[in-house]
Amino acid sequence: GQSLEQPSEVTAVEGAIVQINCTYQTSGFYGLSWYQQHDGGAPTFLSYNALDGLEETGRFSSFLSRSDSYGYLLLQELQMKDSASYFCAVRDPKYGNKLVFGAGTILRVKS
Amino acid sequence: GAGVSQSPSNKVTEKGKDVELRCDPISGHTALYWYRQSLGQGLEFLIYFQGNSAPDKSGLPSDRFSAERTGGSVSTLTIQRTQQEDSAVYLCASSQVGQGSGGANVLTFGAGSRLTVL
Repeated sequence: GQSLEQPSEVTAVEGAIVQINCTYQTSGFYGLSWYQQHDGGAPTFLSYNALDGLEETGRFSSFLSRSDSYGYLLLQELQMKDSASYFCAVRDPKYGNKLVFGAGTILRVKS
Repeated sequence: GAGVSQSPSNKVTEKGKDVELRCDPISGHTALYWYRQSLGQGLEFLIYFQGNSAPDKSGLPSDRFSAERTGGSVSTLTIQRTQQEDSAVYLCASSQVGQGSGGANVLTFGAGSRLTVL
C-alpha cells in the first residue's frame, strides 16, 4: 500500500520560514497534496504537485521531487494563524485511486 | 449545495446502540470519502465511492461499519453495536474526478460528525 512520513511537530517563530517535509512510498503516483487543519476545524486543501518543482501560492509553496519520492510545504512570513496541523496526501492508482493522508505535522507558531 | 453537509454535528450514544451519520456532498462531485479522526490523530481512511464503481471498503475497521451512497449523491455511514473505541470525528469529503485530473486530489471536507460512545 501507500505510506507517508512527515514530522509529528514543528515549532517556529512569527515571521520566520518553516519547511514541513513529506516522504512517500507508492507503487504508482498521481501527485502530492497538502491540507491544513485548524483545531476543531475541517481539513482544507492548500496545494497539489503533479510534476517536479515548486508551486507558489502566496506565502505558501509546495515542492515535489518524484525521483526522491519527497516533497515539502514551505510557509513564509509565518503568522500566528498558521498554527495548525498540516497533512500531505497521495493518490495511488494501483490502490483504487483513493487519497491517503500522512499522520500530520502540528505547526506551532510562537510570538 | 455550496459545501459538504454532515449531520448530526454531534452524537452521543450508549455502547451497543447503532448510529447513522449522513453526508450530503457538493452537487456534481462524483467521488465521496469517509475518514475517521480520533483526538489529535491523523485522517484514517474508511471508504471511498467513485461514480457507479464498486466502493473501496478497504479501510472499514470491522463488519460493524457499513456505508452506502444513494443515487450517486447522499451517503450514510452506519455503525452497528457501537463501542467506546468508535468515539471520533467522522469526516466526509467529496471531489470531482476527471481523467488524469488534479481535481481528484482536491477534497472538500464537511465539518464532521463528532461521535461519543459512552
